Amino acid sequence: RKEVEQDPGPFNVPEGATVAFNCTYSNSASQSFFWYRQDCRKEPKLLMSVYSSGNEDGRFTAQLNRASQYISLLIRDSKLSDSATYLCVVNSGGFKTIFGAGTRLFVKA
Amino acid sequence: GAVVSQHPSWVICKSGTSVKIECRSLDFQATTMFWYRQFPKQSLMLMATSNEGSKATYEQGVEKDKFLINHASLTLSTLTVTSAHPEDSSFYICSALTTPGQGRPGETQYFGPGTRLLVL
Repeated sequence: RKEVEQDPGPFNVPEGATVAFNCTYSNSASQSFFWYRQDCRKEPKLLMSVYSSGNEDGRFTAQLNRASQYISLLIRDSKLSDSATYLCVVNSGGFKTIFGAGTRLFVKA
Repeated sequence: GAVVSQHPSWVICKSGTSVKIECRSLDFQATTMFWYRQFPKQSLMLMATSNEGSKATYEQGVEKDKFLINHASLTLSTLTVTSAHPEDSSFYICSALTTPGQGRPGETQYFGPGTRLLVL
């Protein structure tokens, strides 16, 4: 089993739709969690950290469920510019950071 | 704005030459930097963890004599691909890890823009 698993997609959604991604992790001792966004042929960019209490940044909401060992990212009112690959990132303490393989999102007009 | 820079952004070289890639944290000190490689349509693959003032820690399967890493200062790490071959052609990305108290979220990775290497 991979340490961090994501549905690779692709998710094809129309503009304005709400889309959710889940990511599961295997190490129960994992300490910090992030969502990164990567555009084609570019470097990953931090989208948001994921806190136990959940956090929201505009149209983006991230949640953490430690009991079930998953994190989620919800995107509301999708825009064309949201099309990208979304990477789930889990830090297990120290410098051990694991990236998911990414979920591809295509938002269509 | 960019917080981590990489240079060069792309390089084309002949087989057998060595290529040096620089990674700099621009507005924070990074005790730890990471080097990744990414092949088309694949996820990031961690190559090594670079620690300032000490030897890098390489992931399994990554040849330390082929991918030389030097982290000489708190803002600079370099990756040298020695005797590059066509199979080394890839997108190399570095990241720098923040620490608390530097005006950015602690223990968060910020990525450089990447270096595209093409070995002919």
